[in-house]
Amino acid sequence: DAGITQSPRYKITETGRQVTLMCHQTWSHSYMFWYRQDLGHGLRLIYYSAAADITDKGEVPDGYVVSRSKTENFPLTLESATRSQTSVYFCASRGKRGLTNNEQFFGPGTRLTVL
Amino acid sequence: AQKITQTQPGMFVQEKEAVTLDCTYDTSDQSYGLFWYKQPSSGEMIFLIYQGSYDEQNATEGRYSLNFQKARKSANLVISASQLGDSAMYFCAMSPISSGSARQLTFGSGTQLTVLP
Repeated sequence: DAGITQSPRYKITETGRQVTLMCHQTWSHSYMFWYRQDLGHGLRLIYYSAAADITDKGEVPDGYVVSRSKTENFPLTLESATRSQTSVYFCASRGKRGLTNNEQFFGPGTRLTVL
Repeated sequence: AQKITQTQPGMFVQEKEAVTLDCTYDTSDQSYGLFWYKQPSSGEMIFLIYQGSYDEQNATEGRYSLNFQKARKSANLVISASQLGDSAMYFCAMSPISSGSARQLTFGSGTQLTVLP
């Protein structure tokens, strides 16, 4: 039961560089989500996907791009990183696994620092 | 739009005592779900408990119970018999659960719980 994994776990980059955060789940869940966590804000939704090739914006999508060519992968790209994108990024998935089919399962997170 | 408010940035509780973490919400959705997640210092997000808006009974999962008061729009988490391992950040969250919804979560800002020996 590999679950949901994220890579890298830690990343330091410079302003203006492109960065891609990877997310992979082994449950064949239809829905996948990207959140960012900043102090004082809890987690905020960046993008989500209902299935392969179907994505939609969340609360804070600016500066991010997503794709989903395969059900199990949902990469998040920062096309030109800014310091305000320094954060912890969580990927999550939802599908027919939990008690209620409503709960989301989270990856371990990626801590991104933009210098 | 949905909004979650957690008014307790930090809470302290003595080991073996019960503690209530407050959560109020606002939504225009008729069908919604309420969740609590635990985030220990290691950083992972751990699902604790779920309550559907149409569930008549309060949800319970072991030492966790969710005190759901729909008219007051509150969904407080009660932890009974606190343990040192309960020290963590706790997030209340909600999502729409209507058919066809992605059920994306909206989170509160969290409550940092410290259990004292």
